[in-house]
Amino acid sequence: RKEVEQDPGPFNVPEGATVAFNCTYSNSASQSFFWYRQDCRKEPKLLMSVYSSGNEDGRFTAQLNRASQYISLLIRDSKLSDSATYLCVGQGAAGNKLTFGGGTRVLVKP
Amino acid sequence: DGGITQSPKYLFRKEGQNVTLSCEQNLNHDAMYWYRQDPGQGLRLIYYSQIVNDFQKGDIAEGYSVSREKKESFPLTVTSAQKNPTAFYLCASMTVWTGITEAFFGQGTRLTVV
Repeated sequence: RKEVEQDPGPFNVPEGATVAFNCTYSNSASQSFFWYRQDCRKEPKLLMSVYSSGNEDGRFTAQLNRASQYISLLIRDSKLSDSATYLCVGQGAAGNKLTFGGGTRVLVKP
Repeated sequence: DGGITQSPKYLFRKEGQNVTLSCEQNLNHDAMYWYRQDPGQGLRLIYYSQIVNDFQKGDIAEGYSVSREKKESFPLTVTSAQKNPTAFYLCASMTVWTGITEAFFGQGTRLTVV
C-alpha cells in the first residue's frame, strides 16, 4: 500500500461548481500535510498547508481527519484556471521527509 | 531574489553515459531533495540531505548518486546503472525544524535518453 494515495481523476467540473476530493495516508505518525498544485510540465507550488483539523483560504478549504487518516480539498466556485493536478503531501514526524501522492487531476470546463 | 535553481532545463543523455543535474538554492535552507516524476505519476523521492556532507537514500535511489559539499548545492548524477532515466527531475529545499514548513521547488530538468 502506498504511503499517500489519491484518486487520479480526472474530475470534470463545470465552471462555478464545487469539487472535493480526498487523499488517504497510511503513516499515522505523519505530522502535517500540504496540498500542492502542479500545472502541466511545471514544478509543484504550495496551495495550502493543513494544520490540526484544517484551514480555509478563499475558495479553497482543506480538512484533516486523523481518525480516518485522510485529508480533503474542496474548491468552491471553480474557475477555468483551477484546472491542474493537485498533489497531497505528508510530512514525517521528524519533519525531514515529504511523501507525495500520485496527484488528482481536475479539469474545469465552461 | 531568493530561490532554487535547476539546470539545465532539458538534457539529453546517450545510453551508458553519466550525467549530472545541478540544483542550487540561496534560501539558506538546510534540507534538499531530489524527486523523479514520470508522465501522469506523482513524485518519487530519490535522495535527500538534511545537512552538509550527509544524505540519505529515498525510495528509488538505485542508479543515482548525490553529494552535499555545500549548503547551497545538491547535484544529482544519473549513472549508466539507471536503466530507465527518462523523466522529469525536481529538486526541492526547505528549512528543517520541528514545526511545519514549506518545500520550494526548482523548475525541473527534463532528461531524455537518446
